[in-house]
Amino acid sequence: DQQVKQNSPSLSVQEGRISILNCDYTNSMFDYFLWYKKYPAEGPTFLISISSIKDKNEDGRFTVFLNKSAKHLSLHIVPSQPGDSAVYFCAASAGSGNTGKLIFGQGTTLQVKP
Amino acid sequence: DVKVTQSSRYLVKRTGEKVFLECVQDMDHENMFWYRQDPGLGLRLIYFSYDVKMKEKGDIPEGYSVSREKKERFSLILESASTNQTSMYLCASTLGHSYEQYFGPGTRLTVT
Repeated sequence: DQQVKQNSPSLSVQEGRISILNCDYTNSMFDYFLWYKKYPAEGPTFLISISSIKDKNEDGRFTVFLNKSAKHLSLHIVPSQPGDSAVYFCAASAGSGNTGKLIFGQGTTLQVKP
Repeated sequence: DVKVTQSSRYLVKRTGEKVFLECVQDMDHENMFWYRQDPGLGLRLIYFSYDVKMKEKGDIPEGYSVSREKKERFSLILESASTNQTSMYLCASTLGHSYEQYFGPGTRLTVT
């Protein structure tokens, strides 16, 4: 049972435009969400996160939106740059005490064309 | 900066071999994790450890075991490698109360 789903395996956008990556979840106990970025042959790196008490968090070109009623979050990248081309994973935590356990989605491959 | 290192970037093993994947972190993190990444399946948790000598099964522990004898080191063991264990293996660590996991560069394991 996939508790965190990224239904779009890939996304292609033009440089300078907005990239929107989506993520849906099923477990209402999730209280913290993160986005990771992964380049080929490298480990994922943390990008941005949001607590369930907020509906928006912004960091430079990256903004994450959370819609708890719809159990949906999205990552907006504005403006998109070719260096943003990577696989993006969303992840969620159900407040796993002090173990830091996360549930990851399948990933979305973003290609930003020059 | 947190550094998580993995013993090999690429590994080729034969079916039936015993395989050891090593992970070391240098930030005194309590929690360590082993994932495998496969196309279309994302990152799936194999095992994690929240303290020395403590371990818990993740979502896909079958065919794997782990060892954590020291806080900085977490080993993944494939007792008898099979072709369906060909994958990218990623190790991660985090502080006890933090959600942000720090990942190593990964080990691409091929079992022939």
